[in-house]
Amino acid sequence: QVQLVQSGAEVKEPGASVKVSCKASGYTFTGFYIHWVRQAPGQGPEWMGIINPSIGITTYAQKFQGRVTMTRDTSTSTVFMELSSLRSDDTAVYYCARTLGSGGFGSHCDYWGRGTLVTVSS
Amino acid sequence: DIQMTQSPSTLSASVGDRVTITCRASQTISSWLAWYQHKPGKAPKLLIYKASSLESGVPSRFSGSGSGTEFTLTISSLQPDDFALYYCQQYNSYPWTFGQGTKVDIK
Repeated sequence: QVQLVQSGAEVKEPGASVKVSCKASGYTFTGFYIHWVRQAPGQGPEWMGIINPSIGITTYAQKFQGRVTMTRDTSTSTVFMELSSLRSDDTAVYYCARTLGSGGFGSHCDYWGRGTLVTVSS
Repeated sequence: DIQMTQSPSTLSASVGDRVTITCRASQTISSWLAWYQHKPGKAPKLLIYKASSLESGVPSRFSGSGSGTEFTLTISSLQPDDFALYYCQQYNSYPWTFGQGTKVDIK
């Protein structure tokens, strides 16, 4: 069955970077896009960006441009999201999610990871 | 960015009730809207895509309607497993955006 298994919780100091992984299984890794969505305490979900695991092309939300990097390792079917220059308001649960398309048709997130809590605190 | 306004933010209901959640987009998104159910500590679950298409395996008591800027999620007869958070999300254009969520709790 399709699974997206995320790495464990992280605690980081302000100014540091965090790298969260999302390991895919149960489907053809290069056949689906992976998105990253975060949810801060008490807030709605926030889309961060998308990566095409087949060719590595990314699109980031303007809010995160310059601070976020999404990469993939096709040999392990794993996608990574690195967020730098962390601030306290980056404290959130970070989710990866899969879509068939990159917009419009087939672009609903049909499978999600269970989330990775990132806490930014001094 | 397209703003998604979801209402109500909290909804208290009883088992067997008919429940409706509304989502309004700040500009037209055609039918590119999804609804998700989310329970604490679990992965969000896709319920409805393309505004009204029921995801495979989702009970038929869930239904979605609307197009353009106005959308609704209806649960025809609320079951104990349905008490959760619900979010709408547009995937018409980047950045994709979500509603603030509706918490359905026990009356």
